[in-house]
Amino acid sequence: DIQMTQSPSTLSASVGDRVTITCRASQTISSWLAWYQQKPGKAPKLLIYKASTLESGVPSRFSGSGSGTEFTLTISSLQPDDFATYYCQQYNSYPYTFGQGTKLEIK
Amino acid sequence: EVHLVESGGGLVQPGGSLRLSCAASGFTFSIYSVSWVRQAPGKGLEWVSYISNTGDTIYYADSVKGRLTISRDNAKSSVYLQLNSLRDEDTAVYYCARDRGHCDGGSCWRYFESWGQGTVVTVSS
Repeated sequence: DIQMTQSPSTLSASVGDRVTITCRASQTISSWLAWYQQKPGKAPKLLIYKASTLESGVPSRFSGSGSGTEFTLTISSLQPDDFATYYCQQYNSYPYTFGQGTKLEIK
Repeated sequence: EVHLVESGGGLVQPGGSLRLSCAASGFTFSIYSVSWVRQAPGKGLEWVSYISNTGDTIYYADSVKGRLTISRDNAKSSVYLQLNSLRDEDTAVYYCARDRGHCDGGSCWRYFESWGQGTVVTVSS
């Protein structure tokens, strides 16, 4: 199985900050990576697919990059609504696997 | 608007069974594959199972293989997850998700485009 490792596990930041979350795959997954946002008690929401393609309706302050084994999710200017947990997910091969999550907290 | 509604969760004793349902609306259900993803309390997301749009192709995570059965009824726009021989570690919120992706030369790569609100399964004596 492909292991996905996110860092950091927790990130404290302020409104207006630029933040970056990293996701590493244990083997190459080309660009078959998605990012999801999850708020407490809610279902995950798709943000980005194919490593860098923004899902329709997702604010442009979110961006993704990377290929192979290293990927990043960047939020250019944090808004109050962005404080949540973020997961990466590889869909290169089954079993599809997720990173352990990065909780973005208000500093 | 895409709408997925899970149901069927509840409290069950270890070794027991449950049947989860995922009712879809707002789109042509028969052309989409569907997956189940679960989340244990306070933990991350775990993909559990996949079923193609026709039901011909099915995958399971090793952690549930032999104990879970996925199926679908396109006439009812529904997907089902039969959970048997339940264990404490199956306690989780179970989400169904509509897949979207890209296929090329017989290979497909799918991510989870739309999610239901989840149904809670608690395995405890």
